[in-house]
Amino acid sequence: NAGVTQTPKFQVLKTGQSMTLQCAQDMNHNSMYWYRQDPGMGLRLIYYSASEGTTDKGEVPNGYNVSRLNKREFSLRLESAAPSQTSVYFCASSSKGAALSGANVLTFGAGSRLTVL
Amino acid sequence: GDSVTQMEGPVTLSEEAFLTINCTYTATGYPSLFWYVQYPGEGLQLLLKATKADDKGSNKGFEATYRKETTSFHLEKGSVQVSDSAVYFCALYTGDYKLSFGAGTTVTVRA
Repeated sequence: NAGVTQTPKFQVLKTGQSMTLQCAQDMNHNSMYWYRQDPGMGLRLIYYSASEGTTDKGEVPNGYNVSRLNKREFSLRLESAAPSQTSVYFCASSSKGAALSGANVLTFGAGSRLTVL
Repeated sequence: GDSVTQMEGPVTLSEEAFLTINCTYTATGYPSLFWYVQYPGEGLQLLLKATKADDKGSNKGFEATYRKETTSFHLEKGSVQVSDSAVYFCALYTGDYKLSFGAGTTVTVRA
């Protein structure tokens, strides 16, 4: 099925360890996003990539880096994990037309649950 | 900045009850408004949207009307089912690639 695929689904890290969350979409979307979901805070944008070759900071970028590897793939890296980064991470994508038209409908992956001890 | 505020939950209802979840927004321009739903263990998916004032979005028995005068986009359903148990998010988009989400409202429907 077409959609957004995230890996891994679950991960436990120790403080200071590093890891990369992978995301791939097969809908030929131009724009990709990383959000984190925390109880009572909804979804907060970490980074986004409006198109291949560009990345921009969102609302909560500190402690994260991203790479838009190609049009399909957008990875999120934690260089030195902290307990405050315990969260559920969602990757999403949208088409250029939607983003420019004002009706930016996002397609989300199933999420990656990260626990930092 | 642009933001949405939605009714805090959790909300617990019996089957066939009427559901309303309030959502108000603050935006400098003319945003598009959305409701997303997250079923247990899944990612968010679009429930409905409205792109201009007085538009009504509808899907799966849910409705929401874009009210510019009250800056609101309240979600309603006349008769809920157990399968409607989920977390509902109101969201706003003003055209800079960033979708702003509310905190989410957890709805539980009991048989």
